[in-house]
This record gives sequence, structure tokens and C-alpha cells, in this order.
Amino acid sequence: DTEVTQTPKHLVMGMTNKKSLKCEQHMGHRAMYWYKQKAKKPPELMFVYSYEKLSINESVPSRFSPECPNSSLLNLHLHALQPEDSALYLCASSQDSGYGYTFGSGTRLTVV
Amino acid sequence: LAKTTQPISMDSYEGQEVNITCSHNNIATNDYITWYQQFPSQGPRFIIQGYKTKVTNEVASLFIPADRKSSTLSLPRVSLSDTAVYYCLVGPLVGADGLTFGKGTHLIIQP
Repeated sequence: DTEVTQTPKHLVMGMTNKKSLKCEQHMGHRAMYWYKQKAKKPPELMFVYSYEKLSINESVPSRFSPECPNSSLLNLHLHALQPEDSALYLCASSQDSGYGYTFGSGTRLTVV
Repeated sequence: LAKTTQPISMDSYEGQEVNITCSHNNIATNDYITWYQQFPSQGPRFIIQGYKTKVTNEVASLFIPADRKSSTLSLPRVSLSDTAVYYCLVGPLVGADGLTFGKGTHLIIQP
């Protein structure tokens, strides 16, 4: 299995909702990442988990809460989002050497 | 991390060879050069990586001059399906710090 699987592919949520994005990989990668990508912009790093511990938080608002239950799973819990948080959310994984990141296809999030 | 500069957009035609150049004047000794391809509403996909001289795989070639201050991604005989955004990234192999993307090059292939 050489893929990173993200669910759901599309999500529409209201500003008072709580939802979660899920990411799964079975390549034995020990580093996992969340990125946010707005239209016509490059992906922006949000969080990095290394060996299931949060190692980097790029000053992301607390309405985004990451979780790494085990070495294969990564969640992003969403609460009280704003319309400007609408974007494509990408998950990626890599060996801890950083070589050859594998990205998922993303979750298209719309906040209404 | 070394800053990269790429053309914002490029146009070409099917069957042509396309060369996209990336400038990285502040590249460090332990930095590698990696190119990713991204289609709309998909995650970036690794294309090729190199340190110096020339690297070739089944989809592309990467040319890196001796001073390593620039690199060129070469796509042979492009097709319409090569229309995508191409990102040049520079950084060390060791360490899981995440990738920092520049603005990328939007390549448009016409029939």
C-alpha cells in the first residue's frame, strides 16, 4: 500500500459544527503532516507529527485540533470554523528522513 | 530553508519538451532539490529529486549545474495531461520538518 487515504473527500459544515478529517497510511512512515491549501495558492504547513508526537504547530488557531491516535492515523478536529477556513486540507506522510513525501488527495472543506 | 524562484506560468504544446527552471541562490551544502507536480483538487505528487549533475527517471530529468544555484526540470514530449502546477523545493533530506512550498509554475499544455 503506497497511498495516503483521506476521508471525507468533501465536507460542508456550519460555523457552529464540530467535524473531523481523517488520514490513514500503511507505509510505515513515522512522520505525518497536515497542510491547508487555498485556491491558486501553494500548500501551507499546519502541523507535523513525528513518531506520534506533535513536533511542529505553525501557529494554527485552536479551532483546529490535531490528533495522532497511532502511527497509521492522523485526525484533524474542527470546531467553530470561519468561512475563511474553507480550503483543501491535505495530509502527507514521510519517512523521518524527509525523503519523498506522499500526499493524500485532500478534503475539500466548505464552511457556511 | 533556501528560497526558490520559478516562473509563475508557462505554455507549450503537445509533443514538445518543456524545461522549467528554478533559482535557489542560497542553497546549503546539505540541501537536495525536489520537484512535485499537483493537479487541481489533488495532493502534490513527487516527480524527481537530485543533489548535483543529472538525474533521470521514467517521467522527467533534473539538471543541476556545478554551482547548484539553479536547477531545471525537463519533461520530454509533454501531453495535455501534463497540465499542472510544478513546485521546486530545496531542503535537507534529514529531518521531518515538513515541506515549504513556493508559488510554483503553472504549466499549460495545448493541443
